[in-house]
Amino acid sequence: ILNVEQSPQSLHVQEGDSTNFTCSFPSSNFYALHWYRWETAKSPEALFVMTLNGDEKKKGRISATLNTKEGYSYLYIKGSQPEDSATYLCAFGGAGNMLTFGGGTRLMVKP
Amino acid sequence: GAVVSQHPSWVICKSGTSVKIECRSLDFQATTMFWYRQFPKQSLMLMATSNEGSKATYEQGVEKDKFLINHASLTLSTLTVTSAHPEDSSFYICSAGTGGTEAFFGQGTRLTVV
Repeated sequence: ILNVEQSPQSLHVQEGDSTNFTCSFPSSNFYALHWYRWETAKSPEALFVMTLNGDEKKKGRISATLNTKEGYSYLYIKGSQPEDSATYLCAFGGAGNMLTFGGGTRLMVKP
Repeated sequence: GAVVSQHPSWVICKSGTSVKIECRSLDFQATTMFWYRQFPKQSLMLMATSNEGSKATYEQGVEKDKFLINHASLTLSTLTVTSAHPEDSSFYICSAGTGGTEAFFGQGTRLTVV
């Protein structure tokens, strides 16, 4: 059984704060690491798919890094806004789009 | 991006009845669809993998006779929860892939069995 863990489970920040959270995953048999943003009553939205050790990806104020050798990825949000409030999921990707999810980090940004 | 539509988004049913959940890929052909379940305060857990035209592969601990999966076409997979019981109350969500690295999710279905 693959063990994918995310921390913290939840996070409250003020608007304008920068924040980051962690995803840890098995370092062996790595295929891909996915980050999703999930708002209530909506489909999870793909943020990043990362495949190479040392990868850094950026989308607006959100960026992510990947370390496959030690088995962790960080997601950073710069200058958080209330609309960033969501659950952020990471998933360890196996062959054929099969994903093993972490428990998610629930982010709440206060205006 | 690719769109996956899942229906219904919310359903309440009586104990002992069956419920069917549909997952459709609207603008692409999904060679593989995945069904996940999430209990409160837990991760999304893979239940089964279905490939078009073949039998689904179930994860350990998931009863294949209780959770019937049909993937009759490249754009539709269905999950039927048979003889539902209160302990089947959960959030069910599908994802579809094209064989690449990305997976596209439906909106999910919240099932409450009373």
